[in-house]
Order: sequence, then C-alpha cells, then structure tokens
Amino acid sequence: GQNIDQPTEMTATEGAIVQINCTYQTSGFNGLFWYQQHAGEAPTFLSYNVLDGLEEKGRFSSFLSRSKGYSYLLLKELQMKDSASYLCAPPGSGGSYIPTFGRGTSLIVHP
Amino acid sequence: NAGVMQNPRHLVRRRGQEARLRCSPMKGHSHVYWYRQLPEEGLKFMVYLQKENIIDESGMPKERFSAEFPKEGPSILRIQQVVRGDSAAYFCASSLDREPLHFGNGTRLTVT
Repeated sequence: GQNIDQPTEMTATEGAIVQINCTYQTSGFNGLFWYQQHAGEAPTFLSYNVLDGLEEKGRFSSFLSRSKGYSYLLLKELQMKDSASYLCAPPGSGGSYIPTFGRGTSLIVHP
Repeated sequence: NAGVMQNPRHLVRRRGQEARLRCSPMKGHSHVYWYRQLPEEGLKFMVYLQKENIIDESGMPKERFSAEFPKEGPSILRIQQVVRGDSAAYFCASSLDREPLHFGNGTRLTVT
C-alpha cells in the first residue's frame, strides 16, 4: 500500500464525537476516500476529498491535507450502528487514481 | 437502481479446480475493479478494467489469475488450479471516471 497508518482500534461512547486519523505516503495530488465496512459486508462509500480542506456530510466530516499526507474522519453524535471498520483510501503510487486500502480502524461504540 | 452485483456469494472449490467470479457493475459504470480481502487484512487491489481492456493489473498474481470485462456481460475474475491460499473474500467495485468506487457484496471463496 501507500504506507497507510491508522489506529487499529478505537472505542467511544454513544452520542460522543470521535476523530480517526490517517497518514499516508503522498505520491501526487489526487484525492482521498473514506469507506465504512461492517464485519462480513461490503465497504460503503462515506466521503471523497478531492481538494484540501474539510468536507461535511451530515454526522460525518472528512479533512485532507495532500501535501502533508494527512486526513481525518470525524464522526459526531455516535450511534451504536457506527461500530464498524473505517478505511482510509489514498490513491495508489505513480499518480494512480485507484484507491489503496490499509487495515482500517475498528471503531467500537458502547452505550 | 441496482448496485454492483456479484455472484456467487459463496463458492467452495477443491484444490486444483477453477473458480469463476462474476461482477455486474452499476448501471452506467464502465470502470470495474477487483480487490481481495483476507481475514483481518485490508482490501488489496488486484485489477482495474474498462470495457474490453485491462487498464492496470499490477495487483494480480502473475500465474493462475485472469480477469476480463467483455463488451457484453459481466466482468469475470478467473482463478485456475486454486490453492488454499486463494481462500478470501473477493470484492468487485465499479465507478464512473475518477468518481468514488461502489462495491458489491463480495464472493467468499473457500478452497478445501
């Protein structure tokens, strides 16, 4: 992969806010994707940061700094159903647009 | 709108047999991607295709694996002479050009 670094696991309380950080080795100025994957299911698309800055979509927001190889996903008003893996997916090497995935961050939301 | 359709959902093959995994992209999508996911591992890119063309196969094993996306019909990932190490979930995704990927529910391949 692109040396994608995310925390392996995080826990949070229902109703709280959690920030999942992701650093990666930059190889161009293509955007970055975030996906959610529940155990045994397909990844589902959450956000796509084409440019630097913050993108807000309901309870989820994502931030990207391409020059720093840094992104985060912010989840607000956590719900139990948010317990899942969150996958940071920067583009591949050599200017490729194709998303590459690390192991993701397993988020556990408890009451 | 139907999403990305993969079949079968589960596939069991004995060592040495062939596995054929099918993927129909979302309506209007001409870009297809195949990824493999081992238990407790991330999604590993295998191949990217457009109609009748393999664009990037940098993640495909050099032997036994092949993929196609014909003019008509679904994309096919073919694994010949399967071995136990091929057991994994294989996910197909489709997209418009430079747009987010949408994944199918995957095919779980078990090699016995």
